[in-house]
Formats: sequence, structure tokens, C-alpha cells
Amino acid sequence: AQKITQTQPGMFVQEKEAVTLDCTYDTSDPSYGLFWYKQPSSGEMIFLIYQGSYDQQNATEGRYSLNFQKARKSANLVISASQLGDSAMYFCAMREDLTGANNLFFGTGTRLTVIP
Amino acid sequence: EPEVTQTPSHQVTQMGQEVILRCVPISNHLYFYWYRQILGQKVEFLVSFYNNEISEKSEIFDDQFSVERPDGSNFTLKIRSTKLEDSAMYFCASSPTGGQYSGNTIYFGEGSWLTVV
Repeated sequence: AQKITQTQPGMFVQEKEAVTLDCTYDTSDPSYGLFWYKQPSSGEMIFLIYQGSYDQQNATEGRYSLNFQKARKSANLVISASQLGDSAMYFCAMREDLTGANNLFFGTGTRLTVIP
Repeated sequence: EPEVTQTPSHQVTQMGQEVILRCVPISNHLYFYWYRQILGQKVEFLVSFYNNEISEKSEIFDDQFSVERPDGSNFTLKIRSTKLEDSAMYFCASSPTGGQYSGNTIYFGEGSWLTVV
């Protein structure tokens, strides 16, 4: 089974509107971390936001917030007030803490296009 | 803001040649990683490195790959005899710690495009 599933290969959003990018995960590890990264067309991988499995509150970083629903195993990224510069690929990733490994499992990504 | 830096940004090499990709992780970080992304595909974990040894590696990281921390700042990935299917973007990353910790964000470099011809 896939550890990270992103079901939206592409999304469009009007400039200044909010958009939600979906991410579901699968793990039996009670301790894990969830990450979102942005990959513009230039290729670099930019860290956006992190949510730990034991964090009580949803993470927020500026215009980015993570809608963490533990029972549903979902960690959706919400981008508020979209800007043209938000057009990029967005990857959800997970790290399982108690397996001893420290690597990230990535989803297949969602390409977001912001329309002026 | 501190960042992970990688060189070269792009390299073209002939099949069978050796390639070394270089990375300078963020200075106070303890964990280092290499990931790769074949064009149009998702990012895949290759190897993690801690305390001067490999702590974890994926099945992709076979005998043609090796990593080294030759001095206090550089972290290198060597591909011994490149194959066409090694063409990909290779990302170096680092994190301050391992395990469940709110500060354990994994920061990526800008990547090194490797094209094997």
C-alpha cells in the first residue's frame, strides 16, 4: 500500500482564492511527521509546513495551514489568498519515527495552477 | 537563512563514467540525506547518514552508489558507473535531529540534475 496518497494530479485556483490540496497517509507507527514541500518549475524542493502526529493543534505558516485529521489519516494543505507565484508542484511527505528510519516517503504530487 | 547547497546544478555524463555530486548541509545539522527524482515521478529516498555512517538506505542504493563526508562540511554522493536510468534530479537534504521532534524539519538543496547519455 502507498504510504502517501495525493489523489489530485492537477488543481486550478483563482488568484486570491483559497485552495485545499489533499493528502492521505498510511502508517501503523504511532509517531510520525507530515511535511508539505513546494517544487516550482526551477526544480528546488521548498519546505512549507510540518505537522507532528502528537501535535494538538493544526500547523500554520503564514498563508499555509495543514488540516490534520488524525482519525481519517489526512493532512490536507490549505493555501489561503493564492498568488501567481504559488503555481508549482506540491508534495506531501511522511516520516515514520519509531521504525528508526529517518527518511521521507513522498506522494506523487499535485500540480497547482493559479489563474489570474 | 541557512540553506543546503549543492554542486553541480547540472551535469551531463557518458554512460559508464563516475559522477560525484556534492552537498554542503546546513552547518548545525546532524542528519544528511540523498533523494532522487526521475523526471515526472515522485521523490525517492536513497540514503541517510548520521555520525559518519549510513543509518538507512533504500533498495535503490545499490553497490554503485556510495556516500562520504570527507571533511566537516561536505557530503558527497558517488555513482560509480552511471547508467542511463540514473538520469534524475538528485537532492541533498539535512535535518537537525532524527525522530519525532517538532524541530526536525528536513531541508532540501536545490538539486543536481544528472543526465546520462
